[in-house]
Amino acid sequence: GNSVTQMEGPVTLSEEAFLTINCTYTATGYPSLFWYVQYPGEGLQLLLKATKADDKGSNKGFEATYRKETTSFHLEKGSVQVSDSAVYFCALSGDNQGGKLIFGQGTELSVKP
Amino acid sequence: DGGITQSPKYLFRKEGQNVTLSCEQNLNHDAMYWYRQDPGQGLRLIYYSQIVNDFQKGDIAEGYSVSREKKESFPLTVTSAQKNPTAFYLCASSTRHRADNSPLHFGNGTRLTVT
Repeated sequence: GNSVTQMEGPVTLSEEAFLTINCTYTATGYPSLFWYVQYPGEGLQLLLKATKADDKGSNKGFEATYRKETTSFHLEKGSVQVSDSAVYFCALSGDNQGGKLIFGQGTELSVKP
Repeated sequence: DGGITQSPKYLFRKEGQNVTLSCEQNLNHDAMYWYRQDPGQGLRLIYYSQIVNDFQKGDIAEGYSVSREKKESFPLTVTSAQKNPTAFYLCASSTRHRADNSPLHFGNGTRLTVT
């Protein structure tokens, strides 16, 4: 079945450091891929998405490229801020899944000043 | 502003009691979902509904029940049959019931503690 695997956290970085959070997936067909962010005590918010191979999603300085050859959708940001501290979830929506999302386990990011 | 409202934010119950979590949306979305979040396990799908008066089991439906009598509302009942009910529960909705690339819109969650 479909699945998503993220790098384990927590990830601790200094302000202005480069961020990479790895995400790989297993799916049949051509899934859509998403990154969601969860700030403390809140629900999840869509950060970015990509719907086909080689698409790049971007938002608020974050980017991720849909790589079908490596089944990956790694999240990157060139210079993190303290306000980026949150839990990040990679997710996929597969063919004929009725819109359901399958989530990775989440990666907690902590950015120190 | 449109959005999804979950209430209450915190809920405490004694073991053996059923409890119902509220989820209301004014986004005019067809599909609604309930997820459970536990530390280190990501989100797991409990139930989902693609249209009024219809719903399907997700991956961990045992011990839970839902109803979808109105488009705006999708309440979740945690029954006494659920072995480990203490968790953070998230409700979500999306625009079209079979759109694979429609993002989910989430509520702010209800944290349920059962003692």
